[in-house]
This record gives sequence, structure tokens and C-alpha cells, in this order.
Amino acid sequence: QKEVEQNSGPLSVPEGAIASLNCTYSDRGSQSFFWYRQYSGKSPELIMFIYSNGDKEDGRFTAQLNKASQYVSLLIRDSQPSDSATYLCAAFTSGTYKYIFGTGTRLKVLA
Amino acid sequence: EAGVAQSPRYKIIEKRQSVAFWCNPISGHATLYWYQQILGQGPKLLIQFQNNGVVDDSQLPKDRFSAERLKGVDSTLKIQPAKLEDSAVYLCASSGTGGREQFFGPGTRLTVL
Repeated sequence: QKEVEQNSGPLSVPEGAIASLNCTYSDRGSQSFFWYRQYSGKSPELIMFIYSNGDKEDGRFTAQLNKASQYVSLLIRDSQPSDSATYLCAAFTSGTYKYIFGTGTRLKVLA
Repeated sequence: EAGVAQSPRYKIIEKRQSVAFWCNPISGHATLYWYQQILGQGPKLLIQFQNNGVVDDSQLPKDRFSAERLKGVDSTLKIQPAKLEDSAVYLCASSGTGGREQFFGPGTRLTVL
């Protein structure tokens, strides 16, 4: 069974700090990786995706991908209390259009 | 652009009853997904359609769950009979040509008593 693994948390960081969220995946055939944010009682919403090794930055968010290590991370700079949510990592395989989600990491940003 | 629509938003039923959920994806999106999300867990794929054909239903409990996507647009997911462990949020998502980003609907929260 192909899997995506995340630490469930909660990860607590003070306001203004950098939050680091990690994810590993088992299927080397996965080509793209997605980070979704899910507030309690709401649906997941896309933050960013990455498909090339290295870093991708978008505002306060940076996604990092290392395909050799099968590792994806999301950094949130200048964390705000409004960033408190569950962050879901998903691996996508273009041949099947299939996404596999991790269980999510709950982030708490303390004011 | 209208988002993914789902109904109902909430449903409470007793075990052994049946229930149906409806999803209308974003116009033009060929791929439609139904996920089950149990509290504290990530979304689990139940079934994936490409147009009106099933791509993956390996995790769908076929003895009680069924889904269809007639004409490659709207989709319905049915549970008959429901069990207590079916209590969850059922998410519908769609994606366009080339996959990549999925757009999620608001979900249906099912409670089985």
C-alpha cells in the first residue's frame, strides 16, 4: 500500500516563528506534491504544489522536495495565529491522476 | 467560476438506513473524486472517476457503498445499509485536464446513530 506519512502533531510555535512541516512518501512514481490547509470543519484548500527537486517559495510559504530521500516539507515564515490549522501533504501520480493524502499535521501558532 | 457543490451538508441517520450524497464538480473538470474523512485523519479515496468511467474504486466497500457519474458530470455516492463506522465527512473533489490541483466541495457530514 503506497503511503504518505506525516507527524500528527500538534506542532506548537510562537507567533512570528518559522513552522516546519514534514512529509515522507513511499511511491517513487509520485511526481507532484501538494500542501493543503484544512481549518476545523472546513474542506482542504491548496496552499502550494511542487514537482521539481529543490525549493519553491510563495509569499510566507516555502515548499521543499527531495525525491532521492522521498521527502517533502513546508516552511511557514512569520507564523500567524490564523495559520493554525491541519496541514495535509498529498502525493500525485500523473499516470493515474491519483492523490494519496497523509493524515495531516496539526499546527498551533501561539499568540 | 463556481466551485464544487455538494448536498446535503449534514445528514443524520440510524444504522442500517440508506443515504445518498450528491456532487456537482467544476464545469469542464473530467476527474471527480469521492473521499471519506474520519475525524483526525486525512482524506481517504473511495472512488475516482475519469469522465463517467471508474479509474479506482479499490478502497470502496462495495458491499454497502456505490457511486455513479452519469454523463460524466454530476455524481452520487450511496451507502446502504449504513454502519456506525461510516460516520465521517464525505468530500467530493474535481480536477481538470492534466490533474494537478484538486478543488474540494464543502463536504457532507454524516452521523450514523
